[in-house]
Amino acid sequence: QQPVQSPQAVILREGEDAVINCSSSKALYSVHWYRQKHGEAPVFLMILLKGGEQKGHEKISASFNEKKQQSSLYLTASQLSYSGTYFCGTGGGSQGNLIFGKGTKLSVKP
Amino acid sequence: EAGVVQSPRYKIIEKKQPVAFWCNPISGHNTLYWYLQNLGQGPELLIRYENEEAVDDSQLPKDRFSAERLKGVDSTLKIQPAELGDSAVYLCASSSWDFGKAGELFFGEGSRLTVL
Repeated sequence: QQPVQSPQAVILREGEDAVINCSSSKALYSVHWYRQKHGEAPVFLMILLKGGEQKGHEKISASFNEKKQQSSLYLTASQLSYSGTYFCGTGGGSQGNLIFGKGTKLSVKP
Repeated sequence: EAGVVQSPRYKIIEKKQPVAFWCNPISGHNTLYWYLQNLGQGPELLIRYENEEAVDDSQLPKDRFSAERLKGVDSTLKIQPAELGDSAVYLCASSSWDFGKAGELFFGEGSRLTVL
C-alpha cells in the first residue's frame, strides 16, 4: 500500500526549516527517504529501521514513530541545494517491495 | 565503482512499435527493481528480482510488458506493442540485501520513453 506524504509542496526561503511527513496504513518496519532533482535519478538520503538508530544527512534528519506508523523528515536551515522532490518509501528487504509515496516538492528560494 | 547503468537514455517510437530497455546493476547487488515514473509522480514498481528470480511481477502488465534478468546480473525490460500511455521514465535500481534488511536503492538515470 502506497504511503501518504504531506504536504504536496513547500516553498521556503534559504535558512528556513521544513518538515515532510510520511504515513502508512500498514505497520512500518523501515522507511527510506530519497531526493530527486529535476531530470535526475532519485538519490538515497537515509533509512530508518524499526528499533534502529536514525541516520542523518547534512542538516537533514528524520524520525520514525512506529506506533503512529509515520516518519517525518526535518530539513534545518535549508539551502538552495535542498530543492527537489522528496520521496518516502516503505517496505523493502524481507518486507517485500519498496513502495514510494507521491512525493513532496520542495523549492528553496534565495 | 560504476553506478547503475541504463540504456538508452531517450527513446521516441510510434505506438504499436516494440521497445527494450537495458539495465546493468551495481556489481554484487542481488536485488534489481524496475520502476515506472510518470511526470510529477513517485516511482511505481513494475517488477523486483532477487538474483535471477522475479519474486514480484504483480504490477507488470503482462499482456505487453516482459522482463528478464539473465544470470542474475543485467536485466532487460520490453514493451510490445507500445501504447501512448506508456510514455514515462523507466527507472532501474539495485540494492544489496543483508539478512533481510532493506539496503539503500541505487537508481540509474532512467530511460525516457515517448510514444507518438
